[in-house]
Amino acid sequence: KAGVTQTPRYLIKTRGQQVTLSCSPISGHRSVSWYQQTPGQGLQFLFEYFSETQRNKGNFPGRFSGRQFSNSRSEMNVSTLELGDSALYLCASSLALLAHQYQETQYFGPGTRLLVL
Amino acid sequence: KQEVTQIPAALSVPEGENLVLNCSFTDSAIYNLQWFRQDPGKGLTSLLLIQSSQREQTSGRLNASLDKSSGRSTLYIAASQPGDSATYLCAVRLLGAAGNKLTFGGGTRVLVKP
Repeated sequence: KAGVTQTPRYLIKTRGQQVTLSCSPISGHRSVSWYQQTPGQGLQFLFEYFSETQRNKGNFPGRFSGRQFSNSRSEMNVSTLELGDSALYLCASSLALLAHQYQETQYFGPGTRLLVL
Repeated sequence: KQEVTQIPAALSVPEGENLVLNCSFTDSAIYNLQWFRQDPGKGLTSLLLIQSSQREQTSGRLNASLDKSSGRSTLYIAASQPGDSATYLCAVRLLGAAGNKLTFGGGTRVLVKP
């Protein structure tokens, strides 16, 4: 089975631009979560999608948004980029057979490294 | 608010020595705790998942224990090898938290010297 894939792997943008990152979960997985990793703040939760609905959100400004499609693929968007948005953005998927099943392992993709100049 | 701490932040050991990595969390009402490995510039690889009802999990040279009452987990890596050099992260999933939110520790960077 293919793992979690993320595209693009690397991205360079300038301040004020917007960016869209894509995540394809493991086949059959219904939950997709996004995390931001920076040297200063470590790994921080952005949001989680399940069955095309956002069911949990971290403490990030509204410039960060996401969505999930019917095939479970997910995208996250960052508008009006700031220098501090430079980070490794990680996507994780889990099976989530039941809506409130949280016992499973989360599998992470390789990440998208975003550099904002 | 759940806080997860990993001490030390960095560790260097000679090859063959056993590794002991610590993780502590402030809120004992957790669903489970997961240990990950991260190689430089890469994503996370899941190593072990311990459910809140379990005391330990084992996989090959890896053994993770969980003590909910004291808010601690320990990852043991037996007979370390240079290939074990990486950053190790622990993450907890809170009981009752909607969805799959994981709270991560800051990680322990491990260097195994040949």
